[in-house]
Amino acid sequence: GDSVTQMEGPVTLSEEAFLTINCTYTATGYPSLFWYVQYPGEGLQLLLKATKADDKGSNKGFEATYRKETTSFHLEKGSVQVSDSAVYFCALNTGGGNKLTFGTGTQLKVEL
Amino acid sequence: DAEITQSPRHKITETGRQVTLACHQTWNHNNMFWYRQDLGHGLRLIHYSYGVQDTNKGEVSDGYSVSRSNTEDLPLTLESAASSQTSVYFCASSESRSGGAFFGQGTRLTVV
Repeated sequence: GDSVTQMEGPVTLSEEAFLTINCTYTATGYPSLFWYVQYPGEGLQLLLKATKADDKGSNKGFEATYRKETTSFHLEKGSVQVSDSAVYFCALNTGGGNKLTFGTGTQLKVEL
Repeated sequence: DAEITQSPRHKITETGRQVTLACHQTWNHNNMFWYRQDLGHGLRLIHYSYGVQDTNKGEVSDGYSVSRSNTEDLPLTLESAASSQTSVYFCASSESRSGGAFFGQGTRLTVV
């Protein structure tokens, strides 16, 4: 079945550092790929998405490129802020109706 | 603005009791989902619905049921609550496969 693997956290960075959170997937067919963010005490918010190979999703300074050859969708940001501290989830969808399969989440802590 | 709301936000119940968690969306989306979030597991799909009178089992459906009598609501019922069902529950809705899903704020359920 479909699955998503994310790097384990927590990831602790200093403000303005470069961020990479790795995500790889296994799926039948051609999935759409997503990154969601969860701030403390809140629900998940869609951060960015990519629907086909070589697409780049971007939002709020975050980027991720759909790499079919390596089955990856790594999340990057050039300069993180304290306000980026949250849990980040990678997810995919191969079926109709947007039934999502999630990774286990990666907690990011950004310190001054 | 359209939104998705869950109630209650917190609930404590006793083992063996029936519990219903409410989910209401004003997006007019056909697709609705219930997930549970547990440390080390990310989000796992409990039940989902692609329209009125349609319900389907997800990855961890045992002990849960849903019904869909209108577009806006998908209540989740725990028939006989167990301690293993202590978790944070998220409801989500979506319209298209590539558009991503919108999540509620979550319900923290404790079974004692």
